[in-house]
Amino acid sequence: GQSLEQPSEVTAVEGAIVQINCTYQTSGFYGLSWYQQHDGGAPTFLSYNALDGLEETGRFSSFLSRSDSYGYLLLQELQMKDSASYFCALRGSNYQLIWGAGTKLIIKP
Amino acid sequence: NAGVTQTPKFQVLKTGQSMTLQCAQDMNHNSMYWYRQDPGMGLRLIYYSASEGTTDKGEVPNGYNVSRLNKREFSLRLESAAPSQTSVYFCASLPRGTENTGELFFGEGSRLTVL
Repeated sequence: GQSLEQPSEVTAVEGAIVQINCTYQTSGFYGLSWYQQHDGGAPTFLSYNALDGLEETGRFSSFLSRSDSYGYLLLQELQMKDSASYFCALRGSNYQLIWGAGTKLIIKP
Repeated sequence: NAGVTQTPKFQVLKTGQSMTLQCAQDMNHNSMYWYRQDPGMGLRLIYYSASEGTTDKGEVPNGYNVSRLNKREFSLRLESAAPSQTSVYFCASLPRGTENTGELFFGEGSRLTVL
């Protein structure tokens, strides 16, 4: 089967950089996605890595290493509005996503 | 442009009651999904519809049925609700243009409590 592991909680300071890791076990997948979810809200798409390496979108970057079964989301210049839960998700066949349990990011002033 | 619309947003049921969650998207997306999210957990796929006229089971289909009424609408039915089905339910859709990214567009969620 497929499974993903993320830290349950990460704390950082406003203006700093934080990395949220995601390790996975799978027999095959198309790519790794990242989503942000604020309390009481719906998930919103952040980024996707189909290939190994770094993808950058503004203050957010995501990295994938298939050989290490590992990925991460990097958030720079943290803002209070970045306080949310972050989910990694593997994209499998039929466009299905298998989700990690999520990492709650707490940002302190 | 409303995106993905779910109704109702909140519902309280008694054990054994039935209900249908409605979902509609106005973005001409082909694929639609129903997920449930329990506290402190990620989303788990209940059912999905890769295209109009097809439906398939996801990870946790037991106790649920779905109908892809047309390209716009995908409903989720609980025939006999159980307390274990207390959860937040999300409908999502996937546009063909982003098939390779898995970028799902979500509704606001339906919060269901079964007493």
